[in-house]
Amino acid sequence: EAGVAQSPRYKIIEKRQSVAFWCNPISGHATLYWYQQILGQGPKLLIQFQNNGVVDDSQLPKDRFSAERLKGVDSTLKIQPAKLEDSAVYLCASSLAAGELFFGEGSRLTVL
Amino acid sequence: GEDVEQSLFLSVREGDSSVINCTYTDSSSTYLYWYKQEPGAGLQLLTYIFSNMDMKQDQRLTVLLNKKDKHLSLRIADTQTGDSAIYFCAEGGHTGGFKTIFGAGTRLFVKA
Repeated sequence: EAGVAQSPRYKIIEKRQSVAFWCNPISGHATLYWYQQILGQGPKLLIQFQNNGVVDDSQLPKDRFSAERLKGVDSTLKIQPAKLEDSAVYLCASSLAAGELFFGEGSRLTVL
Repeated sequence: GEDVEQSLFLSVREGDSSVINCTYTDSSSTYLYWYKQEPGAGLQLLTYIFSNMDMKQDQRLTVLLNKKDKHLSLRIADTQTGDSAIYFCAEGGHTGGFKTIFGAGTRLFVKA
């Protein structure tokens, strides 16, 4: 069974530029999550989708971050414009139901 | 709001037991998890316990849950150098949709 796929693995941009991350969850997993993991911290939930509807985006900085999950499968997380404090690893995870989360390897963003 | 706290570092000798501790705040949590993160990788579920249990054993892993004190621990018997990683405690519950909240992680160093 293929795992959660994320791309790109690494991205370096300058502040005020934009960036997009892509995630393909495990086939059949209805719930998809985007987490932000700053160095030395645990993952912080940014947004949670159930199929293509948003369940929770209370921690998403909506003035610069946006996310969508078209057709309830793939998802894209966008940051525009990026700030220095957005430097982090962006983790995508999916789950079949309540319980175990399956994580991708993450996309490491460096904002200069 | 929900919060999960854990100590940041633990160093043990190979062959000794490791005990990683965690406290959480949400008394309505349904699941308590331990995830493992190796360098450059996403998180992977190690083990979990339902909130109505007080102990779970899985090979070298023992999870103890004290629900009254909201305290969770992970014991790794016969710790090996391959166990060196970051261990995240997490709680999962159905507050406003199923959410998983992570602690900051405990970095385990295993000395040969």
